[in-house]
Amino acid sequence: EVQLVESGGGLAQPGGSLRLACAASGFTFKNYEMNWVRQAPGKGLEWISYISSSGTAIYYAESVKGRFTISRDDAQNSLYLQMDSLGADDTAIYFCVRRTGGISDYYYYFYMDVWGIGTTVTVSS
Amino acid sequence: IQMTQSPSSLSASIGDRVTITCRASQNIRKYLNWYQQKPGKAPKLLIYAASTLQSGVPSRFSGNGSGTDFTLTITTLQPEDFATYHCQESYSSPPGGTFGGGSKVEIK
Repeated sequence: EVQLVESGGGLAQPGGSLRLACAASGFTFKNYEMNWVRQAPGKGLEWISYISSSGTAIYYAESVKGRFTISRDDAQNSLYLQMDSLGADDTAIYFCVRRTGGISDYYYYFYMDVWGIGTTVTVSS
Repeated sequence: IQMTQSPSSLSASIGDRVTITCRASQNIRKYLNWYQQKPGKAPKLLIYAASTLQSGVPSRFSGNGSGTDFTLTITTLQPEDFATYHCQESYSSPPGGTFGGGSKVEIK
C-alpha cells in the first residue's frame, strides 16, 4: 500500500525549532518529487516547500523562506522539514505530499496524488 | 497566482446537484486540480487537468473550465460527499501550486 506517515509534530515555543519527518512506503520514493503542505486551524491549504526527486531543486513559499529547510534521504525513504524561528502563524497540520502527474489531451499535468495523515504543530508559550 | 473559490460554504440535500466555482487571477489554461477533504482527514485528489477524473473517483464528480474560470459539479449528492473541496493551480513556478480557500458542502 502506498503510504506517507508524518511524525515530529508537537508543541514548540515561539522562536523555537521542530523537525518533521515523513516515512514513505509502497512506492519507489527516490523517483518522486515531494512537498510539504500545511493547514492552519479552520483555514485552507498552503503549499510551503518542494524538493525534486534528485534533491537538487528546492523551493519554499515566501512565508517560510529562510526559516524552514526541506531535505530527503532516499536510502531511508524519508522526507524532512527542519523548522526554525517558529511563530504563532506556523501553527498548523503539516502534510507530506507526493507530486506526480498524468497526460490529458497530449499535455502533462502535475498534481498531488498521495497525502500523509498529517502531524500537528502548535507554537505557543 | 491567486485562486478564489465560491461559495465558501453551502448547504445541500442528498440527491442535489452542487456546483463550486474556482477563479484564477490569471490564465492557467487547464492546470487546475480539485481535492476533497473530510474532517480530520488528508485531502484526496478528485480531478486534474480541470476535467480528468482521477482513477477510482465516482462519475458523479465532474470538472470543467479553462483559462481563469473553473467548476466542480457533483450530480446526485451522496452522504459521503459532504466535505470541503479545494481547487489548486499547477501552472505556476515554483512547483507548489496555490490553493483556493476551500468550499464546504454541508447537509441541509
